[in-house]
Order: sequence, then C-alpha cells, then structure tokens
Amino acid sequence: SAVISQKPSRDICQRGTSLTIQCQVDSQVTMMFWYRQQPGQSLTLIATANQGSEATYESGFVIDKFPISRPNLTFSTLTVSNMSPEDSSIYLCSVGQGRQPQHFGDGTRLSIL
Amino acid sequence: KQEVTQIPAALSVPEGENLVLNCSFTDSAIYNLQWFRQDPGKGLTSLLLIQSSQREQTSGRLNASLDKSSGRSTLYIAASQPGDSATYLCAVKQNSGYALNFGKGTSLLVTP
Repeated sequence: SAVISQKPSRDICQRGTSLTIQCQVDSQVTMMFWYRQQPGQSLTLIATANQGSEATYESGFVIDKFPISRPNLTFSTLTVSNMSPEDSSIYLCSVGQGRQPQHFGDGTRLSIL
Repeated sequence: KQEVTQIPAALSVPEGENLVLNCSFTDSAIYNLQWFRQDPGKGLTSLLLIQSSQREQTSGRLNASLDKSSGRSTLYIAASQPGDSATYLCAVKQNSGYALNFGKGTSLLVTP
C-alpha cells in the first residue's frame, strides 16, 4: 500500500494568514484527494487533484480559498488561504483509485487563533 | 446525495467481548465500502475493503459484511482488546465518483 507523508503535522496560525500543506506519496498515482475533518465531524472531500490539470472542487469549496498544486505524480500541496477560526480542522491527503483501497496520510492539525 | 450513518456513536465494552459496529447508506449504487480506524491525533488506517460484488471480508479478528440492497454494512470485532480502542469510520465510494463518503464514526473504548 502507498505510504503518504504530510507536512506539517500540526500548526497554530494567526487569523488572516495562509498555510501550505504538503503531501508526498512513495509511488506514482493519478489522483490525489484532499479532505477536511472539522471537530466532531466526518471527513468531507475538498477537491480532487490530477497531475497536469486543474483540481476539481466539491460544492462549498473554492479555488481562491483552497488553491491546490499537483506538479507531478507523487506530490501535491493544499493551501488554506486567509484563515479564520472556522478553518480549524484536520486536513488529510489521500490516494487510491478504482478497486484499490484508499490510503490516508496522518493529517495536518490546524488551529487558527 | 449519499448519506452514511454509523450507529452507535460511542461504545464502551469490557475486554474480551465480541462487538458489532453498524453502518448504513442511502444510495445502494456503490462501488465499494471501506472500514477505517482512526486513533487520536492520527490519520486513517484502512482495515477492510469490500467490493460491491462481495458479501464479506475478513482480516484477523475483524469481519466486515455488506448487504448492498438494504444499504448496510457491519464490522464485527472478535475478542476485543484495549488496543482496539479507536474511532471506526465507514466510507462508501459511489459508482459515479472517485471519492469516499464518510460516516461520522463510532468511538470505541475497550476497558481492561
């Protein structure tokens, strides 16, 4: 199974600033997914990132707030822009397609003051 | 829109008990269903994956079943241990998409 590394593992940020989260996979994958887990809630898909094309965002998430890069088949970044306390969540990167199981990184725990 | 529900939300059992966690989903047009474990402060660990054509999957003390027509899955944990304490998440992948729809999870505590 794929090994997924996320950085940073946690951060405390000031309101109005931006943070970029990195996701590195140990094998080449076509699709990478970014999820958010708000306190006490389930995971919600933010967007799907394909190499060589623009990310596809789910309803309620926009590129200006959550820009995503996918420069190659093993790496992606998610930026959380102009942060507010409502953005305090765990952000998780995931890979997996077709009949294969999805695998997740350890997540980035983000707190906004 | 797919809705995934997990019951109970929390469960506390003494060590050694067998237990069942439940997951239901509203749209039966699923591609597969996956059970995860999430430890506090950690990411998700995949436990079992059941394809839509399968009825069950087993791994060690874990057994997951799938009844697609009724929109239900169960995760059976045999001879529970304190190390099984975690949140268990059920997620379904639709035929029409790539991502997973998650339930809110069952928080399990196994006491010595």
